[in-house]
Amino acid sequence: DIQMTQSPTSLSAAVGDRVNISCRASQSISRYLNWYQQKPGKAPKLLIYAASSLQSGVPSSFSGSGSGTDFTLTISNLQSEDFATYYCQQSYSTPPTFGQGTRLDVK
Amino acid sequence: QVQLVQSGAEVKKPGASVKVSCTSHGFTFSAFYIHWVRQAPGRGLEWMGMINPSETSYAQEFQGRLTMTRDTSTSTVYMEVDSLRPEDTAVYYCVREVVRLRGGNSFDYWGQGTLVTVSS
Repeated sequence: DIQMTQSPTSLSAAVGDRVNISCRASQSISRYLNWYQQKPGKAPKLLIYAASSLQSGVPSSFSGSGSGTDFTLTISNLQSEDFATYYCQQSYSTPPTFGQGTRLDVK
Repeated sequence: QVQLVQSGAEVKKPGASVKVSCTSHGFTFSAFYIHWVRQAPGRGLEWMGMINPSETSYAQEFQGRLTMTRDTSTSTVYMEVDSLRPEDTAVYYCVREVVRLRGGNSFDYWGQGTLVTVSS
């Protein structure tokens, strides 16, 4: 199975900040990488697919980059509603696997 | 609009079975794969398996005690876990997989989640 490792595991930031969350795969996954946002008590929500494509309805303040084994989710101009937990997920091979999550909270 | 509506919370004793349903609305049920992902309290997301019109695929750790079925007439997928253990306590999500020609696969719609509690 492909292991996905996110860093950091937690992050504190302020409204208006720009933050980066990293995700590393244990082997090359090309650009088969998705990002999800999860708020407490809610189901995850797809933000980015194929490493850098924005899901319909997701604000352009979210962006993704990377290929191969290293990927980044960037959130620019943080808003209060962006404080949540973020997960990466590879869709290169079965089983699909998720990172352990990055919790983003208010500084 | 697209919705996946799951059945309600369950409380089970160790060794029992649980069956969770997921009913699809707003899209052509037979055209999509449905997956199940679970999340233990305070933990991350774990893929369990998937079902499409012709096959199922289960994660290795659930082989032998996980069964997924689908009823096309009601656009419903069922997920049954046997021999429940306390560590199976989790929120279980059904998820729709979208396949894009140039963008790989991703999970674009999620059910609201079903809490299964396993306790004596």
